[in-house]
Formats: sequence, structure tokens, C-alpha cells
Amino acid sequence: DAGVTQSPTHLIKTRGQQVTLRCSPKSGHDTVSWYQQALGQGPQFIFQYYEEEERQRGNFPDRFSGHQFPNYSSELNVNALLLGDSALYLCASSLVSSTGAFFGQGTRLTVV
Amino acid sequence: DAKTTQPTSMDCAEGRAANLPCNHSTISGNEYVYWYRQIHSQGPQYIIHGLKNNETNEMASLIITEDRKSSTLILPHATLRDTAVYYCIVRPINTDKLIFGTGTRLQVFP
Repeated sequence: DAGVTQSPTHLIKTRGQQVTLRCSPKSGHDTVSWYQQALGQGPQFIFQYYEEEERQRGNFPDRFSGHQFPNYSSELNVNALLLGDSALYLCASSLVSSTGAFFGQGTRLTVV
Repeated sequence: DAKTTQPTSMDCAEGRAANLPCNHSTISGNEYVYWYRQIHSQGPQYIIHGLKNNETNEMASLIITEDRKSSTLILPHATLRDTAVYYCIVRPINTDKLIFGTGTRLQVFP
């Protein structure tokens, strides 16, 4: 079992550009959540996808959007990148209403 | 905002028990207590969770006070590989959303 896999591992983008990050959940999991972790801070919840729909959303602007595919994999899209979007982006997968979420290793996004 | 309070940092000697406290005085009856840890540059790792009763697994033990307003995570025999940031999280039963605080940085020394 490969666990939760994220790609790419590192990414450098310029202000104003758009970025897409990808996540494959742990085998058997149907729910994917995305988190943003700034340096020195705990992860902050962005949103969660289940059955290809956004089920919950944190306090993030509409520039942050996502998608879940029929195979449960997910994408996080960020438009009009700001310097403050530089962070580690984490994907977590779980079974709906289960008791534990498994995290990937994250994508380190640097906006210059 | 995070609903838990944890010390910023703690030290523990290798081989000794590490006891990490967490205060969650506003917890409600339908909220779990979860613990995760994050080793440098990796994603958070699930450790243990509980609702009312004490819990134990292969990684740790979770002691929840009777009034549920605080808990302690116990790593019975800390190793150098247990050096990490430990997050105590209160999670409602009906949601998968995790609200992280800043956690406790545990340093295990030889």
C-alpha cells in the first residue's frame, strides 16, 4: 500500500501564476482533505472532497479550488498566486466518517 | 481557532516516558481528542484518539481526565525518532476537519 501520495514534491511559481497540486489517496479511502501549512505554524484546513463534491471548506478565498475524480484522487488549484501562498500543502485521505486521516508528505510551494 | 492549549516545548531523555499534556476545557460531549505528530519536513502522522475512556495502542497511551477538560499523551519509552511536534486536536464526531494549533515540540535527547 503506497499510502497517500502527492505530486510534485517541490514547486516554484511566480506571483500571479496558477498552480495545480495532485493527491492520490490511500487505497480504500474515499475522502480527501487539503491543508496549508505555513512555516512554523500548524496545518490549516482548506477544504474536503467526498463523492466528487466539496463537503466542507475552511477560511480560504475562492482563489483556492479543488476537484475530486471518480477514482477518488484530487487536485488543488490556486489562482493568482501571492507571495503569502508559499507553504507546505498537505493532502489527507480517510474513509467517510472514519476515525483517522492519513497525510501525504506534502508539496512545498514557493511563490517568488 | 484551535480549542486546545499545549506547552510550546518539552524535553525527554531517551528511554524515559514522555508525558505531553493538553488542555481542552471547552470540549463538548460530541468531540473526540486526537493526537498527531509531525516529524520535520514530513506530513502529520496519526497517533491515537479517544472520546471518554483511556486508550492505548502500539505507539502511545492517551489518558483523558474524568471531566474531559484535559488529557495526556504518554510515549512509554521515548526514542530519538520520537523527536517531533505533537498536536492535540479536538474534533467533532460529525466532521473530518482537523483544527491544528501550534503543538508541542518534543526533543528527545540521548
